[in-house]
Amino acid sequence: GDSVTQMEGPVTLSEEAFLTINCTYTATGYPSLFWYVQYPGEGLQLLLKATKADDKGSNKGFEATYRKETTSFHLEKGSVQVSDSAVYFCALRPSGGGADGLTFGKGTHLIIQP
Amino acid sequence: DAGVTQSPTHLIKTRGQQVTLRCSPKSGHDTVSWYQQALGQGPQFIFQYYEEEERQRGNFPDRFSGHQFPNYSSELNVNALLLGDSALYLCASSSPDRGSYEQYFGPGTRLTVT
Repeated sequence: GDSVTQMEGPVTLSEEAFLTINCTYTATGYPSLFWYVQYPGEGLQLLLKATKADDKGSNKGFEATYRKETTSFHLEKGSVQVSDSAVYFCALRPSGGGADGLTFGKGTHLIIQP
Repeated sequence: DAGVTQSPTHLIKTRGQQVTLRCSPKSGHDTVSWYQQALGQGPQFIFQYYEEEERQRGNFPDRFSGHQFPNYSSELNVNALLLGDSALYLCASSSPDRGSYEQYFGPGTRLTVT
């Protein structure tokens, strides 16, 4: 079945550091890929997405590129802020039409220190 | 434009009891998905409803059932509660048949089983 693997957390960085959170997936065909963010006590917010190979999703300074050859969708940001502290989830939506339940990774807790 | 809403916010039940959780989708969305998020884990897909029918189901026992109403709102029912059912239950809405594949999540219902 489909699966998503994320790097283990917590990841602790200083403000203005460069961020990379690794995500790899296993799925047939060409799934759509997503990054969601969850702030303490809240639900999930869609951060960015990519629907086909070589697409780059971007939002709020975060970027991720859909790499079919390495089945990866790593999240990057050039300069993190304290407000970026949250849990980040990589997820996939299977290819093909119809039902589209998402498969999530276990999440990566990001802590940004001032 | 109201987003996805869920009720109640928190719930405490006793082992063996039954519980009903409610969800109203984002305006314009006709598809509702339910997820279970255990503490420190990523969300796990329970099932998805479209046109008042269950369209897709994840790996959850029959104790988990649902319903979708003509106004697209949805309920999640869990019978014979177990301690392991304690989790954050997330509802997400989308409209994939209209080309809107992104799932928008509600704030969740925190269920505690004692």
